[in-house]
Amino acid sequence: EVQLVESGGGLVQPGGSLRLSCTPSGLIVSNTYMTWVRQAPGKGLEWVSLIYSGGTTQYADSVKDRFTISRDTSKNALYLQMSSLRADDTAVYYCAKVRDYGGRGYWYFDLWGRGTLVTVSS
Amino acid sequence: QSVLTQPPSVSGAPGQSLTISCTGSNSNVGGGYDVHWYQQLPGTAPKLLIHGNNKRPSGVPDRFSGSKSYTSASLAITGLQAEDEADYFCQSYDTSLSAWVFGGGTKLTV
Repeated sequence: EVQLVESGGGLVQPGGSLRLSCTPSGLIVSNTYMTWVRQAPGKGLEWVSLIYSGGTTQYADSVKDRFTISRDTSKNALYLQMSSLRADDTAVYYCAKVRDYGGRGYWYFDLWGRGTLVTVSS
Repeated sequence: QSVLTQPPSVSGAPGQSLTISCTGSNSNVGGGYDVHWYQQLPGTAPKLLIHGNNKRPSGVPDRFSGSKSYTSASLAITGLQAEDEADYFCQSYDTSLSAWVFGGGTKLTV
């Protein structure tokens, strides 16, 4: 069974940095389109970033120039490096596998991890 | 404000049927992009419920169905069960934002 497990969340001060990890079992990260989606407490889902199997990356405007998505093929892991964190970045961060077919206008997220909570507060 | 608009809440009695709407614009749903639906049970991660407007992944009961017309999409649930109590989110792609977008979510109470 394919599973995604996130880690790395925690409490960080405003302006600080944090790196989230997503470790899949049953799939190879470098062969798969992967994404990060976040959910602020009691709120809806917000797409954050996506990495293509070829390495191309995309970001939501709210995190552009502050967050970096990457992967380590030797560790088969996906990462989200977050910097200049703000209170409104507080959320549960989910990694998810992207089902890519046709153009990106048709993509959806067919497998989700359980999420890791990031709290930005002084 | 979410790019896709959903009603904040809906409710129904066991056995009844209902629909949840998802309204977008010409830069997303109306632009021909697919709509997908996710179910989030209390305290759990989202789970794919419907993809490609109306396709059910393996294991999703046929009580759940999706449709799309112009700038709107709908999730229909028939024969409501207590276990259907959850938050439901629609998702599409927005070409103006170059981003994947979600609705604000609809809380279903059975």
